[in-house]
Amino acid sequence: DIVMTQSPDSLAVSLGERITINCKSSQSVLYSSDSKSYLAWYQRKPGQSPKLLIYWASTREPGVPDRFSGSGSGTDFTLTITSLQAEDVAVYFCQQYYATPITFGQGTRLEIK
Amino acid sequence: EVQLVESGGGLVQPGGSLRLSCAASGFTFSTYWMHWFRQVPGKGLVWVSRINSDGSDNVYADSVKGRFTVSRDNAKNTLFLQMNSLRAEDTAVYYCTRIDTSNWKVDHWGQGTLVTVSS
Repeated sequence: DIVMTQSPDSLAVSLGERITINCKSSQSVLYSSDSKSYLAWYQRKPGQSPKLLIYWASTREPGVPDRFSGSGSGTDFTLTITSLQAEDVAVYFCQQYYATPITFGQGTRLEIK
Repeated sequence: EVQLVESGGGLVQPGGSLRLSCAASGFTFSTYWMHWFRQVPGKGLVWVSRINSDGSDNVYADSVKGRFTVSRDNAKNTLFLQMNSLRAEDTAVYYCTRIDTSNWKVDHWGQGTLVTVSS
């Protein structure tokens, strides 16, 4: 199975600040035939189901604010939130869908300082 | 609006069976592949099973293979997960999700249904 490791486990930042969350996969999730990394980022607020933010490592899901962006390829990925808003308080986790079993990072809890 | 609504969870004794349902609406269910995931409270999400659009191909996690069966009724826009020989470690919230096969992203999740296996 592909192991996904996120860092940090949690962070507390001030409103308006920029944050980055890292995700590393134990093997490449880059599909050579289309040169796309099969890596997604989700946001999960308390009591809610996961919400897809980013897929193919850097493609924003329709309706997701452009302060959310994803980058990376192969095994190393980053989720960036510019200008943190109060409604961004949530747990964020990465997911590889390159191979079954689909696997997830352990999550990063984001709080407001 | 895409909606996925799970039902059928509850308390069951070890060795028992349960059938989960996932009612889909707001999209053409028969053209989408679907996954089941589960999450033990306080733990991470775990993939359980996947089924293709016409139900002819399905895949399972090793932990449930031979005990769980995924199926679908495209005429009724409903996904199922038949769970047999249940164990305490199957206790979790179960989620059905939609797969966009144009890019393979998992783009919509249900709200989940809790399965508790305990005597």
